[in-house]
Amino acid sequence: ETGVTQSPTHLIKTRGQQVTLRCSSQSGHNTVSWYQQALGQGPQFIFQYYREEENGRGNFPPRFSGLQFPNYSSELNVNALELDDSALYLCASSLGMDRGRYEQYFGPGTRLTVT
Amino acid sequence: AQSVTQLDSQVPVFEEAPVELRCNYSSSVSVYLFWYVQYPNQGLQLLLKYLSGSTLVKGINGFEAEFNKSQTSFHLRKPSVHISDTAEYFCAVSGSGGYQKVTFGTGTKLQVIP
Repeated sequence: ETGVTQSPTHLIKTRGQQVTLRCSSQSGHNTVSWYQQALGQGPQFIFQYYREEENGRGNFPPRFSGLQFPNYSSELNVNALELDDSALYLCASSLGMDRGRYEQYFGPGTRLTVT
Repeated sequence: AQSVTQLDSQVPVFEEAPVELRCNYSSSVSVYLFWYVQYPNQGLQLLLKYLSGSTLVKGINGFEAEFNKSQTSFHLRKPSVHISDTAEYFCAVSGSGGYQKVTFGTGTKLQVIP
């Protein structure tokens, strides 16, 4: 069983640029969530996708957007990058709403540095 | 709204000694509770979870946690730590409904001293 994978591992961008981060869910998982983890902080929920629809959103501006594809892989897009966007971005997949199968599986993350 | 408080940012402990990492939460609805571990430069790994049933939950690597509804706590314990347990530990909470937003605490760095 393949785990959650993310690409790229590291990324350096300039303020004002746009970036796309990618996530491949664990096989069979139809729900994906994205988190931002700033240095020394806990992960902060950005949004969640369930069967290609955004299912919930945290306190992040609209320049953070996402997509989930029919194969349940996902993208996180960030426009107009700011220095404070520098963080580790984590993707987590799960089997969905069924309480008995709630566990989220995290990928290794993408380290984004904005200069 | 829900929140998680991890009272200790760092916990040093000698190898083979017991450890407790504290976590308190607040929520207006029924909750699920989790502990995750993060090793340097890695993602998060689930240690254990409480969904319902027995309030004492056993997880991987010899860790366990106890859900205390009256004290809104979910402290993590291990009777004897190893060097390999050195990592950052995050407590997390989510509502028990279909929406799976997970709120994390700020983390506790466990440093095991040889």
